[in-house]
Amino acid sequence: QSVLTQPPSASGTPGQRVTISCSGSSSNIGGNYVNWYQHLPETAPKLLIYRNDQRPSGVPDRFSGSKSGTSASLAISGLRSEDEADYYCAAWDDRLSGVVFGGGTKLTVV
Amino acid sequence: QVQLVQSGAEVKKPGASVKVSCKASGYTFTSYGISWVRQAPGQGLEWMGWISPYNGNTKYAQTFQGRVTMTTDTSTSTAYMELRSLTSDDTAVYYCARTRDGYSKFDDWGQGTLVTVSS
Repeated sequence: QSVLTQPPSASGTPGQRVTISCSGSSSNIGGNYVNWYQHLPETAPKLLIYRNDQRPSGVPDRFSGSKSGTSASLAISGLRSEDEADYYCAAWDDRLSGVVFGGGTKLTVV
Repeated sequence: QVQLVQSGAEVKKPGASVKVSCKASGYTFTSYGISWVRQAPGQGLEWMGWISPYNGNTKYAQTFQGRVTMTTDTSTSTAYMELRSLTSDDTAVYYCARTRDGYSKFDDWGQGTLVTVSS
C-alpha cells in the first residue's frame, strides 16, 4: 500500500488530454513539493515535472503539473503513442522522514 | 553529459549481502546527492535512501534502517549501496539517481542493476 495514491491505470486516444491524480496528506504533498516521473519499459525513470509544476529542459510542454492542498495532478495533452508508460508521483514525507512514491499509473494510448 | 553507470547484475543466496556501484561522470560529483531507488518485479518504485558525496551524510528509509549502507568514493566519483541479510523480497532492479533541490527530485538515473535473490 503506497503512501501516495494514484489510479492504477489511465487511457486515452491520440491527441486527447489525460490527467493522472496523486493523493496524499498534510505530511507529504500538503507541505512539500511533488515531482513526477515517466518510466518506459526497460529504461530508467525520467524526471518529468519538479516542484509541482516545473518542467526540466527537454520535456515537452504537453506535460504539465499542478498541486492543490494534499493532491497533485499530471496532465498530458496531445496524447501520443510514445507516452505509453508508467507514471509516478513522489514527495518528501515529514512524518516518515523519507521519500514516498505513488503506486504508479499505467497509461495506455489506444 | 551526465552519466550514471551502474555495476552488472547479481545473483545472491538468501542471507547474503550485495554491493551495487554507481559511477558518475559529466558533473561535479560532490555538488549533488545520490539516491537509491528500487523496483521489485511487478511493483512500483521504492526509495531506499540518500547520501551526500560532499560530506557523507546519509538518510535511510525506515524500511531499510540497519540493513543498508550507502557510501561514496570521491576519488573515483562512485557511489555504493550495500544491502545485507537478503531475502527473496529484495529481488529487484536497483537504481541510483542524482539528487538536488530536495530529496525527491531525481534529475538523472543510472541504467539499473538487477539483483536476484534465490536459493
